[in-house]
Amino acid sequence: AQTVTQSQPEMSVQEAETVTLSCTYDTSESDYYLFWYKQPPSRQMILVIRQEAYKQQNATENRFSVNFQKAAKSFSLKISDSQLGDAAMYFCAYRDDKIIFGKGTRLHILP
Amino acid sequence: DTGVSQDPRHKITKRGQNVTFRCDPISEHNRLYWYRQTLGQGPEFLTYFQNEAQLEKSRLLSDRFSAERPKGSFSTLEIQRTEQGDSAMYLCASSLVRASGYTDTQYFGPGTRLTVL
Repeated sequence: AQTVTQSQPEMSVQEAETVTLSCTYDTSESDYYLFWYKQPPSRQMILVIRQEAYKQQNATENRFSVNFQKAAKSFSLKISDSQLGDAAMYFCAYRDDKIIFGKGTRLHILP
Repeated sequence: DTGVSQDPRHKITKRGQNVTFRCDPISEHNRLYWYRQTLGQGPEFLTYFQNEAQLEKSRLLSDRFSAERPKGSFSTLEIQRTEQGDSAMYLCASSLVRASGYTDTQYFGPGTRLTVL
């Protein structure tokens, strides 16, 4: 069965600095999708970025980028120029038909 | 595009009562998913539909839980004889599966927070 592991329950970063959230996963599939979702306090789950496993190029969305290492089954999220609005729970997720989520990393932004 | 909507947003009930939640997906989406999220955890998959067909159910979905999507549009999730352990956020998501089999991104609703006293 597929699993997703986020080893950092909480992280803090100074505003305007860069932070990297870690994620590892386990699967026997060769073609799959990986995601980072953001869930602000008491608010809706929002897609941050997605990566298709067949693509070698790392996905980038503005200040958000990933480091996808398929052989190592690693999928980290880098947030550049952190902003106060980035404070949230971040979930790493793997998708076959359904989505399998990690336990999340709570990110604090320090002003 | 009005997004995925869920109703109610909050529900407080007494143990033993039945509750029903509704999810309205994005209009052209043929896939609809239900997840449960407890405090401080990631969402856990419960079940999903392709149009009106329920294709998969998690073992988390006990006999007290039932989900329907009768016309392939909105869906309902019913919990019978609620227990305190059912207290959680119930999330709905929808996506479009294309004729090629490619599945687009899942978009989530705001959730229904259930508190069982």
